[in-house]
Amino acid sequence: SQTIHQWPATLVQPVGSPLSLECTVEGTSNPNLYWYRQAAGRGLQLLFYSVGIGQISSEVPQNLSASRPQDRQFILSSKKLLLSDSGFYLCAWKGQAISGNTIYFGEGSWLTVV
Amino acid sequence: GDSVTQMEGPVTLSEEAFLTINCTYTATGYPSLFWYVQYPGEGLQLLLKATKADDKGSNKGFEATYRKETTSFHLEKGSVQVSDSAVYFCALTSSGGSYIPTFGRGTSLIVHP
Repeated sequence: SQTIHQWPATLVQPVGSPLSLECTVEGTSNPNLYWYRQAAGRGLQLLFYSVGIGQISSEVPQNLSASRPQDRQFILSSKKLLLSDSGFYLCAWKGQAISGNTIYFGEGSWLTVV
Repeated sequence: GDSVTQMEGPVTLSEEAFLTINCTYTATGYPSLFWYVQYPGEGLQLLLKATKADDKGSNKGFEATYRKETTSFHLEKGSVQVSDSAVYFCALTSSGGSYIPTFGRGTSLIVHP
């Protein structure tokens, strides 16, 4: 079966520090991968998506970047965090058409920038 | 482009009440439809799904029927529990070339004892 993991689960970072959130999918190949952000009490904002290794599409201009160094690994990064980067970050992957193109989410990472 | 509209919250109910959360969509082709649930402090969990017209998805007492004629996928439960308190998201994935899933804004459900 397929699983998705992201880490760290919680982190508190000072303004101006770097960020690296990592997401790994197991049990599938060539998944579509996504990074979302969710501000407190708000909906989902798509940040980046990837349809293959090294292919990154950015949906919103951000202080953030994403990379996909391996087929099932998706990394969200920042060189210098801003206070406004605080939020709940979710990694997700999309199954194939045979599974109804279902989206599966990781456990989420809480980022507090202080 | 594709869109999902779900009712504004919060929805506040007493335990054992009937729940309906409305969801309507616009999409080209034949999308798959989903409901996700998010408990406080957690990620989104797939609650149920339907992949073609007239399909009924069901799980944990929740149901939703894919209505192509009304472009709707309303979530229902006959008797809610306090433990159902969460945020519910309606979503679709397109059968066409779009790689991007579409989510509603979420509806908060609060169930009182």
